[in-house]
Amino acid sequence: EAGVVQSPRYKIIEKKQPVAFWCNPISGHNTLYWYLQNLGQGPELLIRYENEEAVDDSQLPKDRFSAERLKGVDSTLKIQPAELGDSAVYLCASSLGTGVPGNEQFFGPGTRLTVL
Amino acid sequence: GQQLNQSPQSMFIQEGEDVSMNCTSSSIFNTWLWYKQDPGEGPVLLIALYKAGELTSNGRLTAQFGITRKDSFLNISASIPSDVGIYFCAGRRYQAGTALIFGKGTTLSVSS
Repeated sequence: EAGVVQSPRYKIIEKKQPVAFWCNPISGHNTLYWYLQNLGQGPELLIRYENEEAVDDSQLPKDRFSAERLKGVDSTLKIQPAELGDSAVYLCASSLGTGVPGNEQFFGPGTRLTVL
Repeated sequence: GQQLNQSPQSMFIQEGEDVSMNCTSSSIFNTWLWYKQDPGEGPVLLIALYKAGELTSNGRLTAQFGITRKDSFLNISASIPSDVGIYFCAGRRYQAGTALIFGKGTTLSVSS
C-alpha cells in the first residue's frame, strides 16, 4: 500500500514569491491534515479536511495561506506571498476518518521550504 | 501553538543501554501517541495508547498512559544504532481523527 505522497520534497524561493505544495493521501483516507514543523519543534496543525470540507482551519494564517482539497482526495497548500519566517517543513498526513477507533494519522515525508 | 512538555531534549547513550523519555501536559488527553522521525522523513507511529494506565509494548519499545491522563512515557530497551532519531509524543483530546498536539521531541543518539 502506497503511503502519503508529497511534492516537491524541497523548495527554495525568494521572499514575496508564491509557492504551492501538493499532497496525495493514502487511498481511502477521508481525513487529510497539513502540519507545519519548524526546526527543533514538533508538528503543529494548520488545517484538517474531512473529505472536501475544511473542518479545522483555526491555525491557518489566512492572510497568506490557503488550501484546497478538490474532489476530497489530493490537496494543495499555497503561500502567497512567502515570508522569511515561512521556512519550515510542511507535512501532510491522512487517516481513515474522524471517530473511527484506533484510526491514527500517517505522515508523508514533508516538503522542506527555504525562503531567501 | 500549544506543545507538550517533552524531556529530555536530547540523549547520548551507548548501544545496549535502556532509554526512558516522558511527556507531560497541563491538560487531560484521551489518547497518547509516540512517533519516531528520521532525518528528511515524516513521523512514523510507534505506539498508541487509549486508556489511562494502559501499558503497551512494540518490540523493544514500551509506553504507558499515565493514570492522571496528563502524562506518558516511552522506554526503549537494549538500544541499537537504528534507534537513532527524534522521538515525539503526541496527545489528542477528542475523538480519533481530530488534531494531535505534539511535544518538541527527544533526539536520541546511540554510539556503538
